[in-house]
Amino acid sequence: GAGVSQSPSNKVTEKGKDVELRCDPISGHTALYWYRQSLGQGLEFLIYFQGNSAPDKSGLPSDRFSAERTGGSVSTLTIQRTQQEDSAVYLCASSPSPGQRPNTQYFGPGTRLTVL
Amino acid sequence: AQKVTQAQTEISVVEKEDVTLDCVYETRDTTYYLFWYKQPPSGELVFLIRRNSFDEQNEISGRYSWNFQKSTSSFNFTITASQVVDSAVYFCALSEAGGSEKLVFGKGTKLTVNP
Repeated sequence: GAGVSQSPSNKVTEKGKDVELRCDPISGHTALYWYRQSLGQGLEFLIYFQGNSAPDKSGLPSDRFSAERTGGSVSTLTIQRTQQEDSAVYLCASSPSPGQRPNTQYFGPGTRLTVL
Repeated sequence: AQKVTQAQTEISVVEKEDVTLDCVYETRDTTYYLFWYKQPPSGELVFLIRRNSFDEQNEISGRYSWNFQKSTSSFNFTITASQVVDSAVYFCALSEAGGSEKLVFGKGTKLTVNP
């Protein structure tokens, strides 16, 4: 079946602009995660969605970052007023649901964001 | 707090050699999960294996094997008879049961297998 898809695959923007990154999880997966991969910080958790529960936003680095998940499926990560340190690969993952076994996160191909 | 340490930043081997990638973890939870992911040059993270903290049986899958030892908080990964296609960055990760079960990753080990 189809895996996790993300768009765009690459995004180049100017400092100060807003960007939106999209994630389409595996069909039937109720849990959705965003991570960031950068040279300096490695792979970091950003935010987690599970069904209609309040998201776990504990990994968001600043209030310029936000995310939403509509209809329990597609998610959008928004970065406002981008800064050069936001340059990274943004990865989305989905899993059946924490609490269900097995619970393994499957990753999309990522969006490479470059802020000039 | 959770932490995963992959002390080997880069490893280079010649094809057909065996290679072991080390992973040491820290957690206060008694129930947790350990993972290995592979990131080839194409960039996508590929799931390899998941282990539960209550199951210390080692596992073998083809040329891959994993050694989980709770006594030393280690979850090492061995590739037998390495091949050029094994060249990638390998990440070890930990998640704690309950809540989001978010993954905490090690910094990764870059494996290069030379022909």
